[in-house]
Amino acid sequence: SQQGEEDPQALSIQEGENATMNCSYKTSINNLQWYRQNSGRGLVHLILIRSNEREKHSGRLRVTLDTSKKSSSLLITASRAADTASYFCATNPNSNYQLIWGAGTKLIIKP
Amino acid sequence: DAGVIQSPRHEVTEMGQEVTLRCKPISGHDYLFWYRQTMMRGLELLIYFNNNVPIDDSGMPEDRFSAKMPNASFSTLKIQPSEPRDSAVYFCASSFGDQETQYFGPGTRLLVL
Repeated sequence: SQQGEEDPQALSIQEGENATMNCSYKTSINNLQWYRQNSGRGLVHLILIRSNEREKHSGRLRVTLDTSKKSSSLLITASRAADTASYFCATNPNSNYQLIWGAGTKLIIKP
Repeated sequence: DAGVIQSPRHEVTEMGQEVTLRCKPISGHDYLFWYRQTMMRGLELLIYFNNNVPIDDSGMPEDRFSAKMPNASFSTLKIQPSEPRDSAVYFCASSFGDQETQYFGPGTRLLVL
């Protein structure tokens, strides 16, 4: 069953703008991860946030986690054309290493 | 490190044929995952291994699918006989211990005619 659900399904913005994607999930988790997938490629891990963390940064990426609302957001600041990709959230509901994946947000950065 | 290696990158076959997909995980990783990705169903976990032992194969769609991991550096996913609905991109991923980050291979794009 699908745990993470990304919102929006698709997002198109101008280069230089900030992009925000959201992820909601249903059960308690150990951690939540964000991955990027460029067209025709494998998924690349971006950032992992644990259930006891509220915010994490990595370069132009900022991830927040609200366990009371069972939601997370991924913010990409100062977007670039190279950020065009699909972004997936994956939750780790327990420690058996089986991630539960959302359907992804397709992000398009217009030059 | 070379990352997760998958072969072949593309496979076109006819219905009824056997298909074998191969994966070499990152050295030292003790978890290996096989996923299937389609537009309709998104990313689905098929099976995963820990220290070469299959832990959960509940995602394997039917008996036509089988996976093995004879050693820590090699795994195969076999489809026999293949059907057009098996057409998808198949990814292998590996991870190490409790770091939980999964590293994906480039995928095998399978087309069954």
